Amino acid sequence: KAGVTQTPRYLIKTRGQQVTLSCSPISGHRSVSWYQQTPGQGLQFLFEYFSETQRNKGNFPGRFSGRQFSNSRSEMNVSTLELGDSALYLCASSLLPGTSGRAMPDTQYFGPGTRLTVL
Amino acid sequence: TQLLEQSPQFLSIQEGENLTVYCNSSSVFSSLQWYRQEPGEGPVLLVTVVTGGEVKKLKRLTFQFGDARKDSSLHITAAQPGDTGLYLCAGAIGSGGSYIPTFGRGTSLIVHP
Repeated sequence: KAGVTQTPRYLIKTRGQQVTLSCSPISGHRSVSWYQQTPGQGLQFLFEYFSETQRNKGNFPGRFSGRQFSNSRSEMNVSTLELGDSALYLCASSLLPGTSGRAMPDTQYFGPGTRLTVL
Repeated sequence: TQLLEQSPQFLSIQEGENLTVYCNSSSVFSSLQWYRQEPGEGPVLLVTVVTGGEVKKLKRLTFQFGDARKDSSLHITAAQPGDTGLYLCAGAIGSGGSYIPTFGRGTSLIVHP
C-alpha cells in the first residue's frame, strides 16, 4: 500500500510569510505526528493528532499549528516565518498513538519530508 | 542539554568491520526505538525495545536495552555499505505533565566498500 506522502517536497519562502504543509498518512492510520529536523537540533517533535484532536504538543511557539481532517490527512502551518524555521519537516503516521502517552507512538512510518528554506 | 545522548556522533569504517553505537539518558523509558535515516528520506523504524535487559536481533543488527531502561546500544556485525545512514534512538520523555517523543541527534555511519 502507498506510504506517507508529503507535499510539497521543497519550498522557499521569505521571512514574515506563512506556509502550510500537507501530509497524507497510510490508509487506515489515524495518528499523525509532525517533526522538525535541523542539523543543529536534530529531530524535534512538534505535535501529534489522533482522530482530529491534538493529543500531544512539543515545545514550539504558537506560530506552529496543525490540524487533522476526518480522512486523517493533516496540515501544519507556520506563520510569520523566521530564518531559523528553515528545516526538514517530517510527518509520521501510525495506527494508534503512544500508549497512555508514556511510550513512543505505535510503529511510525515517516514520509520523505518537506524541505523548507526561509530567506 | 540533549536528553538522549548518542555516541559516537560520526563513524567511518570499512566493509566487514563491527561497530557499536550508544544511546544514553538519565531518564527511565518505558520503551526505546531505533531508526535509520538515509539521505533524502524519513527515518525508518528498526526496532522497539521494551523490557530492561532485552536483546533483539535483526539479521546483523543486535539491539540491547539497559537493565535500568536508561540506555540502549546497537551493534552491527560485518557492516556493509548498505548500512550507511543516520542511526537515531528515540523515546518518550516526561515534560510538563505529558510525554514528548524525543530523538537523539544520531550517529552518522559511513561504510566504505
